[in-house]
Amino acid sequence: SQKIEQNSEALNIQEGKTATLTCNYTNYSPAYLQWYRQDPGRGPVFLLLIRENEKEKRKERLKVTFDTTLKQSLFHITASQPADSATYLCALGPGGGNKLTFGTGTQLKVEL
Amino acid sequence: DVKVTQSSRYLVKRTGEKVFLECVQDMDHENMFWYRQDPGLGLRLIYFSYDVKMKEKGDIPEGYSVSREKKERFSLILESASTNQTSMYLCASSPPTQHTDTQYFGPGTRLTVL
Repeated sequence: SQKIEQNSEALNIQEGKTATLTCNYTNYSPAYLQWYRQDPGRGPVFLLLIRENEKEKRKERLKVTFDTTLKQSLFHITASQPADSATYLCALGPGGGNKLTFGTGTQLKVEL
Repeated sequence: DVKVTQSSRYLVKRTGEKVFLECVQDMDHENMFWYRQDPGLGLRLIYFSYDVKMKEKGDIPEGYSVSREKKERFSLILESASTNQTSMYLCASSPPTQHTDTQYFGPGTRLTVL
């Protein structure tokens, strides 16, 4: 069955450093992969999308890579700030009829 | 700006009650989704809808039903609430497939069933 794995342990880093989060998947050939941010008690918010034929995508301090051979996406936040503290979810699509399949998310904590 | 609203942020109900969770989007999106989110289990799809009066089961539809009488509104119904349905419920919408399927989420309803 399809499986998406994100590190369930929280990632703690110091302000100013680069945070790197991982999304691995099995039994899936996604056409694209998305990253969302979720703050406590809130719904997820879309950040970035990367397609299967793209290696890398950037948006301001965010960078996403997509390696379909390794079946892995890396999500980087450079010059991290305490305001970046949140849970980050990866999602793969399409899953039959516009559906996305979400990972469980990784909590990021950026400390002063 | 894209907006998805949910009828309640917090809800407390008793076992056996019928519960209605309402979701409204103002983006004229065809697709709407209901998820529940539990610690360690992530987002799990309950039901989704491609169009008015159309619905499809997601991964965990048991104990739930849905209604979509108008394009902007998608309701989740718990016919007889049980304690194992205590969870965060999230509604989302997305435009017709444009090879992205980006979803726009509401703020969520935290439901507690006693």
